[in-house]
Amino acid sequence: EAGVAQSPRYKIIEKRQSVAFWCNPISGHATLYWYQQILGQGPKLLIQFQNNGVVDDSQLPKDRFSAERLKGVDSTLKIQPAKLEDSAVYLCASRSAGEANYGYTFGSGTRLTVV
Amino acid sequence: GENVEQHPSTLSVQEGDSAVIKCTYSDSASNYFPWYKQELGKGPQLIIDIRSNVGEKKDQRIAVTLNKTAKHFSLHITETQPEDSAVYFCAATHNTNAGKSTFGDGTTLTVKP
Repeated sequence: EAGVAQSPRYKIIEKRQSVAFWCNPISGHATLYWYQQILGQGPKLLIQFQNNGVVDDSQLPKDRFSAERLKGVDSTLKIQPAKLEDSAVYLCASRSAGEANYGYTFGSGTRLTVV
Repeated sequence: GENVEQHPSTLSVQEGDSAVIKCTYSDSASNYFPWYKQELGKGPQLIIDIRSNVGEKKDQRIAVTLNKTAKHFSLHITETQPEDSAVYFCAATHNTNAGKSTFGDGTTLTVKP
């Protein structure tokens, strides 16, 4: 089975610019997560989708971050405007809705550098 | 919310030795504990997991143990090989959070040949 696809792999932008990341989960996986991984730390949840609805966005900085999952498949995460502290790897993960206790399948991530 | 602490942050062992990584969690409602291995430039990959109704699970050279009373769980790697070198993350999950996992900050394992 194909894995979780993410693009781009790398992105360098100046502060105050905007950027968007794309994720295509494993086919049939209803649950999709975006995590932020700052260098030297574990992944931190930004937002969780169940199909095309938001389950948890309590840790998403909504003044600058937004995410959507139209049609319950692909998802995009946007940052506008970016700050230096947004430099991190943005990981997308998915799992089947029926696998309540199963682990995630992660994509390779997008490494964002804000200068 | 859930808080997961992981120790040590770095671990260096000689090839063939064993490695142990320990995690503690705060929320007694957590009931599923996965471990992930992350290699450079890649996303974390699930390597083993344990549920709260089980005390120990083994898969070839890796094993996990869980102590629900003390709220801690551990990863054990025996007969380490250079290809085991990576960053390892523990996580705690419970169903009432719709399967959301909270991660530790990782352990960088280096296996010296």
